[in-house]
Amino acid sequence: GESVGLHLPTLSVQEGDNSIINCAYSNSASDYFIWYKQESGKGPQFIIDIRSNMDKRQGQRVTVLLNKTVKHLSLQIAATQPGDSAVYFCAENKNQAGTALIFGKGTTLSVSS
Amino acid sequence: KAGVTQTPRYLIKTRGQQVTLSCSPISGHRSVSWYQQTPGQGLQFLFEYFSETQRNKGNFPGRFSGRQFSNSRSEMNVSTLELGDSALYLCASSLATTESPLHFGNGTRLTVT
Repeated sequence: GESVGLHLPTLSVQEGDNSIINCAYSNSASDYFIWYKQESGKGPQFIIDIRSNMDKRQGQRVTVLLNKTVKHLSLQIAATQPGDSAVYFCAENKNQAGTALIFGKGTTLSVSS
Repeated sequence: KAGVTQTPRYLIKTRGQQVTLSCSPISGHRSVSWYQQTPGQGLQFLFEYFSETQRNKGNFPGRFSGRQFSNSRSEMNVSTLELGDSALYLCASSLATTESPLHFGNGTRLTVT
């Protein structure tokens, strides 16, 4: 079925390392992709988004890469900090008329100092 | 600017009862979406409201309903509660363009006993 998924349910890194979280999507019609971070007891927090006409977008310490050929999305976090520990979700919007996002299952990032 | 506010934060209900959850969007946001989050199914789209009209609907039974008021505030209602309705219910608001990110509240944790 159509879904957005993540390759790894968990990722453990050392403080200061770069983290890469991957996501595969199956709907080639999707045109907008978003990464969210969810900390315990909180709702998902917007990190960065990218449109399908872009390959790369950078934010503060984060970069999102989109490879439409293989339908792959990744989130890179530079110099990972303990405060980055959370569950990360990718989401796609394939609905032109609204904001019905399809979320992946999430990757839990654990950062040790 | 205040974020998305959801009330109450926690609810405990009994099977067969009904429940109403409330959401106040970010000021200026006219689109409000609702999502259900469970450990097994992850984040799933319930419905979206824009200008007091339901614009999109996910694959949930008719027991789940919502509405939006003229001030963009929204409520969702679940009737005849089942044990499987226990979840974190998240509200998100956006500027309502197809590529404007959703901003989530911290959710209402519903427990059905």
